[in-house]
Amino acid sequence: DTGVSQDPRHKITKRGQNVTFRCDPISEHNRLYWYRQTLGQGPEFLTYFQNEAQLEKSRLLSDRFSAERPKGSFSTLEIQRTEQGDSAMYLCASSPRTAYSYEQYFGPGTRLTVT
Amino acid sequence: AQRVTQPEKLLSVFKGAPVELKCNYSYSGSPELFWYVQYSRQRLQLLLRHISRESIKGFTADLNKGETSFHLKKPFAQEEDSAMYYCALDNTDKLIFGTGTRLQVFP
Repeated sequence: DTGVSQDPRHKITKRGQNVTFRCDPISEHNRLYWYRQTLGQGPEFLTYFQNEAQLEKSRLLSDRFSAERPKGSFSTLEIQRTEQGDSAMYLCASSPRTAYSYEQYFGPGTRLTVT
Repeated sequence: AQRVTQPEKLLSVFKGAPVELKCNYSYSGSPELFWYVQYSRQRLQLLLRHISRESIKGFTADLNKGETSFHLKKPFAQEEDSAMYYCALDNTDKLIFGTGTRLQVFP
């Protein structure tokens, strides 16, 4: 499978713990996006990268959230001091983002449960 | 503010019936609009985008700037069309999604 992959698929953690998620995009895709989806809602944009540069962060992304894409390949999303409100599905997507392609390819997501 | 509205959470039809999933948007510029679909136990995937004006799996969607709508239509629904459908707006390189409509097609 050469699609976007995410690890882990499920994570259960206690409130106050730190968690880190990984996303491996489709190779050679220069754009990488993180979204969060809660029950009954569509995905909400969190942040995105062009190669290794983080170009934009949503106001949804509090100081407890940090994302990196150190070599312009895989990305990590870390949540520090988790809260119950962080429980959600975290989706990663990648895109070649050329003048002719706007499609974002999504991964399967990481479901986070904070108890 | 940029926003996408999908007024129906659930749409149920019988096989062979026409389907229309509604999407309205609010955007100050020239919008790039998409429909994404998520079948059971599968990841979110692109169904179609308005710029390509194509028909995918029998679905079409026409951008109506006057009514700020991008409704998804199919003349004859199939059972395999049952899925969650999201309308999305490209807002300067990121997607704004609606809340989604679940389509159930009964045999």
